[in-house]
Amino acid sequence: DTEVTQTPKHLVMGMTNKKSLKCEQHMGHRAMYWYKQKAKKPPELMFVYSYEKLSINESVPSRFSPECPNSSLLNLHLHALQPEDSALYLCASSQGGGYGYTFGSGTRLTVV
Amino acid sequence: TQLLEQSPQFLSIQEGENLTVYCNSSSVFSSLQWYRQEPGEGPVLLVTVVTGGEVKKLKRLTFQFGDARKDSSLHITAAQPGDTGLYLCAGRNTGNQFYFGTGTSLTVIP
Repeated sequence: DTEVTQTPKHLVMGMTNKKSLKCEQHMGHRAMYWYKQKAKKPPELMFVYSYEKLSINESVPSRFSPECPNSSLLNLHLHALQPEDSALYLCASSQGGGYGYTFGSGTRLTVV
Repeated sequence: TQLLEQSPQFLSIQEGENLTVYCNSSSVFSSLQWYRQEPGEGPVLLVTVVTGGEVKKLKRLTFQFGDARKDSSLHITAAQPGDTGLYLCAGRNTGNQFYFGTGTSLTVIP
């Protein structure tokens, strides 16, 4: 299995809702990442997990809460989002070091 | 965050033409990667370059890492509509994190 699987593919939520994005990989990768991407812009790093521990938080607002239940799973819990948080949310994994990332297809999030 | 500037930002060419995309920084990177992203999908890794001056070829794509490891280029020969997408370079810093460039959106017109 050489894929990163993200669910759901599309999500529409209100500003008072609570929802979660899920990411799964079975490649034995030790690092997992959340990125946010706006249209025609590069991905912006949000969080990095290394060996299931949060190692980088790029000053992301607390309405985004990551969780790594085990080495194969990564969640992003969403609460009280704003319309400007609408974007493509990408999960990626890597063996670490200089190895490249394997990205999922993303979750297209719309906040209304 | 190390700034990686890509040029051009947008490029629209006819099928069969050649093109070059540039990725420049004032920082030195231990390695650099190129990705292609199609609409609605995540980026897909094309190549990793590690050594200054290194050149790698992937069919019609040629990647070069600058001698000083601060810049890179991607050259596509005889572009095809299937090459359409967002091209992203990503440089690896001393903290082992990759930071993406500003992106080049390529459209190849049949």
